[in-house]
Amino acid sequence: DTGVSQNPRHKITKRGQNVTFRCDPISEHNRLYWYRQTLGQGPEFLTYFQNEAQLEKSRLLSDRFSAERPKGSFSTLEIQRTEQGDSAMYLCASPRGETGELFFGEGSRLTVL
Amino acid sequence: AQSVTQPDIHITVSEGASLELRCNYSYGATPYLFWYVQSPGQGLQLLLKYFSGDTLVQGIKGFEAEFKRSQSSFNLRKPSVHWSDAAEYFCAVGLYNQGGKLIFGQGTELSVKP
Repeated sequence: DTGVSQNPRHKITKRGQNVTFRCDPISEHNRLYWYRQTLGQGPEFLTYFQNEAQLEKSRLLSDRFSAERPKGSFSTLEIQRTEQGDSAMYLCASPRGETGELFFGEGSRLTVL
Repeated sequence: AQSVTQPDIHITVSEGASLELRCNYSYGATPYLFWYVQSPGQGLQLLLKYFSGDTLVQGIKGFEAEFKRSQSSFNLRKPSVHWSDAAEYFCAVGLYNQGGKLIFGQGTELSVKP
């Protein structure tokens, strides 16, 4: 158990619907990262927060994607008007300590029909 | 641009044989380097990390990795593979000057023959 919790673990939705994923990170750290992993690929960076501020967004994060971290605690990743190409595992990660290693949640798997 | 290359997409080894998974990185500064393992349906588990100091680092489950600056490599090794080591292995470089995000390689899938 890494201490990073993600919900839901699985989501099946129809194309065009909106979905939201939640991440509860290791509580004492102020940075939080979102990654996307498609089949047969390594995780790809999407965005990260320092406290409630979103400091960087990858160009992978289209206008249909939005991430928030109110109050610098949990974070949500919303995908609007889902497309089949959004089908992937969405991973949340949190550092532990100051040495830079990231600890990942189990991920939220999205299937868009 | 920063990148990580894992040249081997899939490797098969016999149980009890030794293992080496290759990783090459491209990064302009001294890197933080990591190896993660992912079993089917599971999240990523950190195997080991290199920040500085001794270039041979030990990790969990009997794995070790060696940082070679001259070759921009960070290869993962294990002297004797167990069937439970079958999984996907990812090498990553940490960009400490870019918010600490990690850049991952494409992964190497390890199969273990009995």
